[in-house]
Amino acid sequence: DVVLTQTPVSLLISLGGQASISCRSSQSLVHSNGNTYLHWYLQKPGQSPQLLIYQVSNRFSGIPDRFSGSGSGTDFTLKISRVEPEDLGVYYCLQRTHNPYTFGAGTKLELK
Amino acid sequence: QVQLKESGPGLVQPSQTLSLTCTVSGFSLTSNSVHWVRQPPGKGLEWVGAIWSGGSTDYNSALKSRLSISRDTSKSQVFLKMNSLQTEDTAIYFCTLDPYWGQGVMVTVSS
Repeated sequence: DVVLTQTPVSLLISLGGQASISCRSSQSLVHSNGNTYLHWYLQKPGQSPQLLIYQVSNRFSGIPDRFSGSGSGTDFTLKISRVEPEDLGVYYCLQRTHNPYTFGAGTKLELK
Repeated sequence: QVQLKESGPGLVQPSQTLSLTCTVSGFSLTSNSVHWVRQPPGKGLEWVGAIWSGGSTDYNSALKSRLSISRDTSKSQVFLKMNSLQTEDTAIYFCTLDPYWGQGVMVTVSS
């Protein structure tokens, strides 16, 4: 199974600051069709996860441009600029290239 | 408007079978896949399995020997059955059709 290694485990960021989360895969996430199915989710306390970024770098509808995704192959990054209080929670990467699908262990974003 | 709602028993005894239902609206099961994801208390998300639009299934490698996902398209329902439950199966179980998620149902495995 594909293992996704997320770092760091937790982030302490000041309001207005920038956060960067890494997601590294144990194998390439490029699908045979050429697409890369690496997605990012945010789970706020007490809520279901919400989709932020799909296929590496595409922001889902309504997601502010403060969120950006990048990467290729096995290395991916989620950047959050100008952090706001509503951004707090746990961020997960998910790969949907290889069955079975797998999540990263999560990165908790907290305010400094 | 797409909606998913999980239902099932809150408490299951060890070694028993868990049966959960995901009732969906606003989309067709024959055109979309539905996934199950679980989250033990205070821990991360774990992909459990999926039923695809054509009715085939895929499962988490660690769970596949105990797991079955099926559906009733006429009732817009997806079912999860997991046998031989252990305390480690205690979790919130979500059903999801990206980007839509149900609210989740808490399942506690305890005698």
